[in-house]
Amino acid sequence: DQQVKQNSPSLSVQEGRISILNCDYTNSMFDYFLWYKKYPAEGPTFLISISSIKDKNEDGRFTVFLNKSAKHLSLHIVPSQPGDSAVYFCAASSGNDYKLSFGAGTTVTVRA
Amino acid sequence: NAGVTQTPKFRVLKTGQSMTLLCAQDMNHEYMYWYRQDPGMGLRLIHYSVGEGTTAKGEVPDGYNVSRLKKQNFLLGLESAAPSQTSVYFCASSYELAKNIQYFGAGTRLSVL
Repeated sequence: DQQVKQNSPSLSVQEGRISILNCDYTNSMFDYFLWYKKYPAEGPTFLISISSIKDKNEDGRFTVFLNKSAKHLSLHIVPSQPGDSAVYFCAASSGNDYKLSFGAGTTVTVRA
Repeated sequence: NAGVTQTPKFRVLKTGQSMTLLCAQDMNHEYMYWYRQDPGMGLRLIHYSVGEGTTAKGEVPDGYNVSRLKKQNFLLGLESAAPSQTSVYFCASSYELAKNIQYFGAGTRLSVL
């Protein structure tokens, strides 16, 4: 049973617009959340993270929002660029546990 | 600095054959992991290691064995491959002070016929 769910398999957005990726989790013990980005034929690379003591974390064009009561987080990419076309994975962990639970991924396509 | 290196990149096996996937990291990381990625399933943890000489089962360990004889290497073995093990396998590593942030290799695409 997947504890981290990304219900949108794909997202298409025009260059320069905002991309919003969503992620839901079921395990209330999760307190650290990450987003990974993956290009074809490459491994995932870490993008941005957020601890449960925060509700927002920003890094350049990327912002992650966390709503603990709804067990929901989202990744905003503003503005979207062609190089952002990739698969984005949401991941979560609890306490000092170093193991991550991953969502199924969302494929983002940025149109010129 | 190579990071995490996986070999081979591609492999085709027949049912019942065995093989070993090698993961090597040059970052002196304590923790290492093996995942498999299947369509619609995301990454699922097969086995992991918290240090040299240690291994533990993850979410989907059946049909796989691992060894970590040296800190920098983590081997994943398939003793008798099955078509259900057709997948893309990723190795990752992380270090104590940022254990949640894992660094991944480029993956091994395995097909079992």
